[in-house]
Amino acid sequence: AQTVTQSQPEMSVQEAETVTLSCTYDTSENNYYLFWYKQPPSRQMILVIRQEAYKQQNATENRFSVNFQKAAKSFSLKISDSQLGDTAMYFCAFMMNTGNQFYFGTGTSLTVIP
Amino acid sequence: DAGVTQSPTHLIKTRGQHVTLRCSPISGHKSVSWYQQVLGQGPQFIFQYYEKEERGRGNFPDRFSARQFPNYSSELNVNALLLGDSALYLCASSLVRGGMNEQFFGPGTRLTVL
Repeated sequence: AQTVTQSQPEMSVQEAETVTLSCTYDTSENNYYLFWYKQPPSRQMILVIRQEAYKQQNATENRFSVNFQKAAKSFSLKISDSQLGDTAMYFCAFMMNTGNQFYFGTGTSLTVIP
Repeated sequence: DAGVTQSPTHLIKTRGQHVTLRCSPISGHKSVSWYQQVLGQGPQFIFQYYEKEERGRGNFPDRFSARQFPNYSSELNVNALLLGDSALYLCASSLVRGGMNEQFFGPGTRLTVL
């Protein structure tokens, strides 16, 4: 069975600073995808960034980047130059290569402080 | 372009009743998945439908059922509602199955069971 663990229920960061959200996962699969989703207070989940497990290079999307450590089964999200609009719940998620479902962590509530 | 839409936005039911939730995927998307998000938790997979056939089922009782129509819209039905069914129900659509395809989430339906 696949499990995803987010050990930081809540975090805060000053505007313009950098913050890192942690995620670990457990799987016996070799080919899979990892995701970070953002769920603002308005509820709609938005994809932040995606990483293919077979790619060693860490994914980046503008201010968002990941640190993917496959052997350690770790997938952290770094947000640089934090903005007020980054305030949201962040979910780490796993999906097998041929999969049909996400396995989500319990989320990290991030607050950006002006 | 319209995103994933869900109806109704909010719903209040009493124990034992039946409920039907609806989801319209993004135009051209053939895969629809349903998730249950209990307050304070990450979404849990309920079903995936692709090309009108069930392609995956999560660990939910038989009171939960779903279907996908020829236009790829989908319904989630829950019978004999329990208090524990109170949650945000999310629908996600993607072009095809598999982790390589981005899934887009709808805003959800907030179900309250009294």
